[in-house]
Amino acid sequence: DGGITQSPKYLFRKEGQNVTLSCEQNLNHDAMYWYRQDPGQGLRLIYYSQIVNDFQKGDIAEGYSVSREKKESFPLTVTSAQKNPTAFYLCASSGGSGTSRRKQYFGPGTRLTVT
Amino acid sequence: LAKTTQPISMDSYEGQEVNITCSHNNIATNDYITWYQQFPSQGPRFIIQGYKTKVTNEVASLFIPADRKSSTLSLPRVSLSDTAVYYCLVGDFMNTGFQKLVFGTGTRLLVSP
Repeated sequence: DGGITQSPKYLFRKEGQNVTLSCEQNLNHDAMYWYRQDPGQGLRLIYYSQIVNDFQKGDIAEGYSVSREKKESFPLTVTSAQKNPTAFYLCASSGGSGTSRRKQYFGPGTRLTVT
Repeated sequence: LAKTTQPISMDSYEGQEVNITCSHNNIATNDYITWYQQFPSQGPRFIIQGYKTKVTNEVASLFIPADRKSSTLSLPRVSLSDTAVYYCLVGDFMNTGFQKLVFGTGTRLLVSP
């Protein structure tokens, strides 16, 4: 079964701690993305990666970091520098051939709560 | 980038056809129109995509007039499980990449019995 997995589904952290969110895909997609969603809002792009060992900042990258050491993995670290880290985080990928290239596939999301 | 405008919310009843219109006046020649569906606490799911005229799949139809300045997502005979947020995205993802696509606040569809 192909798809994107994110873990954990719920994550709780104390303020001042860094936390890493996992994202794995077995769709053999080249590109991967991280979005943040706040209640009642759309998705905002944090970081994206078009290929292994390369990634670019999105619209709201401050306070976040990523790595792309493997094609199938794109972990996101929420650092203590992120002022409002509590949110729903979504990972996505795109690639393949034909009509698949024109879609983004999303994971189930991780809800992070920082207190 | 093409800016999109959708209604904030819509209400319907089970069994009815629902049409959600998206306005995108400054759509570019290479832009595609894509619709996603999102349930609470889940990732968005691709529904349908088109460039011009009409596209139909097993769950929806997409109508795009000749000037492409708007598009209409049509959901036939909705059920309670169609209650979700629907996003209209416009962009040339092939050349500029998905990173240029903007998810607005979408249209919140509520289907009642």
